Amino acid sequence: SQKIEQNSEALNIQEGKTATLTCNYTNYSPAYLQWYRQDPGRGPVFLLLIRENEKEKRKERLKVTFDTTLKQSLFHITASQPADSATYLCALELGNAGKSTFGDGTTLTVKP
Amino acid sequence: GAVVSQHPSWVICKSGTSVKIECRSLDFQATTMFWYRQFPKQSLMLMATSNEGSKATYEQGVEKDKFLINHASLTLSTLTVTSAHPEDSSFYICSARASDRSNQPQHFGDGTRLSIL
Repeated sequence: SQKIEQNSEALNIQEGKTATLTCNYTNYSPAYLQWYRQDPGRGPVFLLLIRENEKEKRKERLKVTFDTTLKQSLFHITASQPADSATYLCALELGNAGKSTFGDGTTLTVKP
Repeated sequence: GAVVSQHPSWVICKSGTSVKIECRSLDFQATTMFWYRQFPKQSLMLMATSNEGSKATYEQGVEKDKFLINHASLTLSTLTVTSAHPEDSSFYICSARASDRSNQPQHFGDGTRLSIL
């Protein structure tokens, strides 16, 4: 059956360190993978999109990698700050379906 | 840019009441809108996809007569929870996409917290 797993429900790190979040999937062949940030009681906010033929994408302190062989995406936040504390969701999109399937999210806490 | 407004942000009502939730794209035209339901500490579960001017496509297990979706214009979609019961209490979130191309990100509203007494 199809499955999306994000590494852990919660991740705690110290300010200034790099946070690495993992998204693994099985029985999917996604054309696109997206990462979103969700704060409590709010809707998700789009961060980055990476296509199946792209290995890496960067935006300011954020970096996403996509390995279709390993069926895995890594999401990195460098020089993390307490304001980065939130739940991060990965979402797979198959391309022609037009809809996304979301992982359960990883809640990141950055301690000062 | 790409702002999606969802209203109301929270609703508390009695069992048997029908509740309408609005989702508006404020600064772009949304060819496609999506409705999700989210339980605490769980992921977003897609309920239905709506395209302007056509009937919504519901996910398996979602009752179309229970959750009525209307996408009458390129900037407005509504979800009506008919005859709501306590088990319908949840966080409902809409999203909108500017085109029908799947490589465009979704822009989300801030959700509606629905509590049925």
